Amino acid sequence: AQSVTQPDIHITVSEGASLELRCNYSYGATPYLFWYVQSPGQGLQLLLKYFSGDTLVQGIKGFEAEFKRSQSSFNLRKPSVHWSDAAEYFCAVAPGGFQKLVFGTGTRLLVSP
Amino acid sequence: DGGITQSPKYLFRKEGQNVTLSCEQNLNHDAMYWYRQDPGQGLRLIYYSQIVNDFQKGDIAEGYSVSREKKESFPLTVTSAQKNPTAFYLCASSTQSSSYEQYFGPGTRLTVT
Repeated sequence: AQSVTQPDIHITVSEGASLELRCNYSYGATPYLFWYVQSPGQGLQLLLKYFSGDTLVQGIKGFEAEFKRSQSSFNLRKPSVHWSDAAEYFCAVAPGGFQKLVFGTGTRLLVSP
Repeated sequence: DGGITQSPKYLFRKEGQNVTLSCEQNLNHDAMYWYRQDPGQGLRLIYYSQIVNDFQKGDIAEGYSVSREKKESFPLTVTSAQKNPTAFYLCASSTQSSSYEQYFGPGTRLTVT
């Protein structure tokens, strides 16, 4: 079965420091890959997506992600974190067929002053 | 402004009562979805609808029901058969051609006591 693993439940980063959130997927072919962000008590917002082509994708709010086929990974990065980036981040996979996104369990990002 | 509206934001019910969560979108999207979010479990798909008057079960449909009589609306009923209904419920929508790019509402937090 397709699955998405986000190994870090919580991550704390100092404001201004760099960030990397990990995401690994299990799927036979290359799926479509996504990162979403959720502020407390809110819905999810799409940060970026990868369908094909250039393996480094740029998203909103200064985020980027790199697809590595050999590692089945799609890690999210940001060079300098701002306090407003504190939120929960979800990696998602569209394994094929219509609509069905499979979400990871999320990583909660805390930003310290 | 186009978007997805979920109401109410907080909902309280007694055990044994059915409750209906509202989801409305004015994005002219054909497809709509309901997810359930529990701490540490990510999002799980309850039901989805590709088109008016048609819907399919997701991964955790037991104890839930939906209808899709209008393109704009996709209400979710949490029945008394749902054994653990307290959760955060998220509605989403997408176009048919970009079904993976889902737009989320702000969510409804349901508490059943």
